[in-house]
Amino acid sequence: EVQLVETGGGLIQPGGSLRLSCAASGFTVSSNYMSWVRQAPGKGLEWVSVLHTSGSTYYADSVKGRFTISRDNSKNTLYLQMSSLRAEDTAVYYCARDNPSFKAFDIWGQGTMVTVSS
Amino acid sequence: EIVLTQSPGTQSLSPGERATLSCRASESVGGNYLAWYQQKPGQAPRLLIYGASSRATGIPDRFSGSGSGTDFTLTISRLEPEDFAVYYCHQYGSSPMYSFGQGAKLEIK
Repeated sequence: EVQLVETGGGLIQPGGSLRLSCAASGFTVSSNYMSWVRQAPGKGLEWVSVLHTSGSTYYADSVKGRFTISRDNSKNTLYLQMSSLRAEDTAVYYCARDNPSFKAFDIWGQGTMVTVSS
Repeated sequence: EIVLTQSPGTQSLSPGERATLSCRASESVGGNYLAWYQQKPGQAPRLLIYGASSRATGIPDRFSGSGSGTDFTLTISRLEPEDFAVYYCHQYGSSPMYSFGQGAKLEIK
């Protein structure tokens, strides 16, 4: 079964760091573009970052310089390292398979909640 | 960055009625790479339509997408109770800086 499972969310103080993980099954992370998308409580979807098969990475302006996307091919897992966290980073974070054939996000995880608060 | 504006923000309709959701882009979406997603409370989004008009796997044919350039539409021909949800449009045209619409809620009248 094709599936994505995110872990690593939690409560973190402003200025802190957190790493999210997204374990894939049923397909290979390194053979696909993979994105992180977040959703603040009661708000809409915001694209955060993408990792291409080539290793190229791109970020939304709101997280550039603070977040780093990466993958571990041996674990078939995508990561999002978040640092200098702010209250406005509070959101459910989803990983998604970014399908360049469909030009859309065709597989989504269930999401992991990150709360930035003192 | 392309800005997507969805309208109306909320629609109140009854099961069996037709729903029409609009998504307007601030500039032309390259390749008409416009997707639609459905999201129910507490769930992840689900891909419905990609490439403006192609249905994703397993999506019922009551869902259809149309449009090009800057104006796109998602139509649900006959609403089923499970269709009441929030819908988002998403442009993939100016990859990799993607953007989503603000969302449009379909609620039961």
